[in-house]
Amino acid sequence: EVQLVESGGALVQPGGSLRLSCAASGFTFSSHWMHWVRQAPGKGLVWVSQINPEGTITNYADSFKGRFTITRDNAKKLLFLELSDLRADDTALYYCARDPVGVGSSLYFENWGQGTVVTVSS
Amino acid sequence: SQELTQPPSVSVSPGLEARITCSGDSLPKQYAYWYQQKPGQPPVLVIYKDTKRPSGIPERFSGSSSGTTVTLTITGVQAEDEADYYCQTAVTTGPHAEVIFGGGTKLTVL
Repeated sequence: EVQLVESGGALVQPGGSLRLSCAASGFTFSSHWMHWVRQAPGKGLVWVSQINPEGTITNYADSFKGRFTITRDNAKKLLFLELSDLRADDTALYYCARDPVGVGSSLYFENWGQGTVVTVSS
Repeated sequence: SQELTQPPSVSVSPGLEARITCSGDSLPKQYAYWYQQKPGQPPVLVIYKDTKRPSGIPERFSGSSSGTTVTLTITGVQAEDEADYYCQTAVTTGPHAEVIFGGGTKLTVL
């Protein structure tokens, strides 16, 4: 069974930083593109970033370029999202999501974790 | 940037048909995907590549595409189908990719 378990969410002050993690199991992690998607309270889904299976290609939504960094550790089956210069409007539930296997990213999400909550407030 | 437009809400009585639309200029060229999200839960993929249904998704869920509009149809709506539904597509420009979600539609089963 595919499992994605996010962690690392916390209450952080504006301007602060945080590293989110996503532990994967039940599938060959190193074969899949992976993504982060966020959802502010009561709002819709917003795609944040993707990373290729080798960890050598990344893409970001324009809103997050320069502030967020996606990485992965295939040996440990972990996906990461480093958040920096956090603002109040970064307050959200952050999901990791699995892209289907294929040549290149399919750019949709077969499986989702339960999410981890980031709250930015002084 | 590209946008996908969904109606904020759709209401339907049990047993009837619900249709949720999603409009966007990129849809004639790109596949659309649909997710169901119930309160307090992560989204679940219900339709991929415009019309395909993942295993485990009931047959009453179907997708269609026509020009700049894609439609999620739920035939014989059940109370358990009450949820938020999001359409999604993606645009690639060379090495750059952008995933776009619609604003979501709240389906209410009367």
